[in-house]
Amino acid sequence: KQEVTQIPAALSVPEGENLVLNCSFTDSAIYNLQWFRQDPGKGLTSLLLIQSSQREQTSGRLNASLDKSSGRSTLYIAASQPGDSATYLCALRGYKYIFGTGTRLKVLA
Amino acid sequence: KAGVTQTPRYLIKTRGQQVTLSCSPISGHRSVSWYQQTPGQGLQFLFEYFSETQRNKGNFPGRFSGRQFSNSRSEMNVSTLELGDSALYLCASSFGSSLTDTQYFGPGTRLTVL
Repeated sequence: KQEVTQIPAALSVPEGENLVLNCSFTDSAIYNLQWFRQDPGKGLTSLLLIQSSQREQTSGRLNASLDKSSGRSTLYIAASQPGDSATYLCALRGYKYIFGTGTRLKVLA
Repeated sequence: KAGVTQTPRYLIKTRGQQVTLSCSPISGHRSVSWYQQTPGQGLQFLFEYFSETQRNKGNFPGRFSGRQFSNSRSEMNVSTLELGDSALYLCASSFGSSLTDTQYFGPGTRLTVL
């Protein structure tokens, strides 16, 4: 059974810091991995999608990597801003999404 | 292009009642999936519909059911509501049912069961 864990569960950083969010999974048989952002009480916004054959994807200040052999993905956020404050979720795609536990990020001005 | 829309956005029901939630996918999308999000269990997959057929189903009791119409709009029904059904219900649509298709999520329906 696939299990997805995100560490840390919560993170508070000053504005401008570079930070790394981690996502670990137990079964490397995945089709793709997607990082989402969720603002309080809202739906999910897709940030980056990494196909299983890819190693990383970049969008603006965000970079996501995927290492299937070690069962890990990281989301790197450069020069964090208060507007980045949200919960970040990683999700593994099989026939359904299996979501991680999430990291609550707070960027302090 | 309009995003995924869900109605209603907020709903309050009492135990034992039933509820129907609606999801309108992005125009042209034929696949709709439903998820339940609770503080304790996180995000869990309910079911997926493609071209009016249920393709996959999560591990939820039979009180949770859904359907998809010919215009790809989908409804989810929960009968005999329990307190534990209080959650944010998210709908997601994708163009096809391929595992590489990106799903786009709606804002959710917040259901409170009293």
